[in-house]
Amino acid sequence: DVKVTQSSRYLVKRTGEKVFLECVQDMDHENMFWYRQDPGLGLRLIYFSYDVKMKEKGDIPEGYSVSREKKERFSLILESASTNQTSMYLCASSSNRVFRYEQYFGPGTRLTVT
Amino acid sequence: GENVEQHPSTLSVQEGDSAVIKCTYSDSASNYFPWYKQELGKRPQLIIDIRSNVGEKKDQRIAVTLNKTAKHFSLHITETQPEDSAVYFCAETTGANSKLTFGKGITLSVRP
Repeated sequence: DVKVTQSSRYLVKRTGEKVFLECVQDMDHENMFWYRQDPGLGLRLIYFSYDVKMKEKGDIPEGYSVSREKKERFSLILESASTNQTSMYLCASSSNRVFRYEQYFGPGTRLTVT
Repeated sequence: GENVEQHPSTLSVQEGDSAVIKCTYSDSASNYFPWYKQELGKRPQLIIDIRSNVGEKKDQRIAVTLNKTAKHFSLHITETQPEDSAVYFCAETTGANSKLTFGKGITLSVRP
């Protein structure tokens, strides 16, 4: 059974703080993704990675960066948190070994920036 | 560029009725179309998918149909139950880096 975990379910940070969101998957998946979910806007891709140390910008990368030093771990970094980054953040992973592109999601981190 | 639109944005049906949710896409190279279900407070999960070489796929009470000419695909739920109440996301991909482009989601409410 695929397991994707995220470091926190709820997080409250102050404007200007540096924020780290961690995601770990245990199925040896090559691909990992970070999304933010806002009401009425669906799932918007921030960054993704298809290999260790590789990263690609998604649709809304501004204000974010990522790190993938190990295959199982993908970190999202908010260099200087702002109130408009208050959102639900979802991590996902998928395998290249099956032609299905199924993404397995983590439970989400609800981030509030005050 | 890639774009997926879902219609309608909300849908309310009576328990036992059928529900149909439609998505349109713009990239003719798209070859895989999944549907994800997200129950309140839970993570999105894949419920059914279809490849571009297939016109229809069924799994018990749910089915997905694909019309490549018109560039739309639909989720059909028959004999709806209260536990079908959720947000449903359609998505598409051309396969490049396994990246999915999601629609904005449709909130389905099944009235008991």
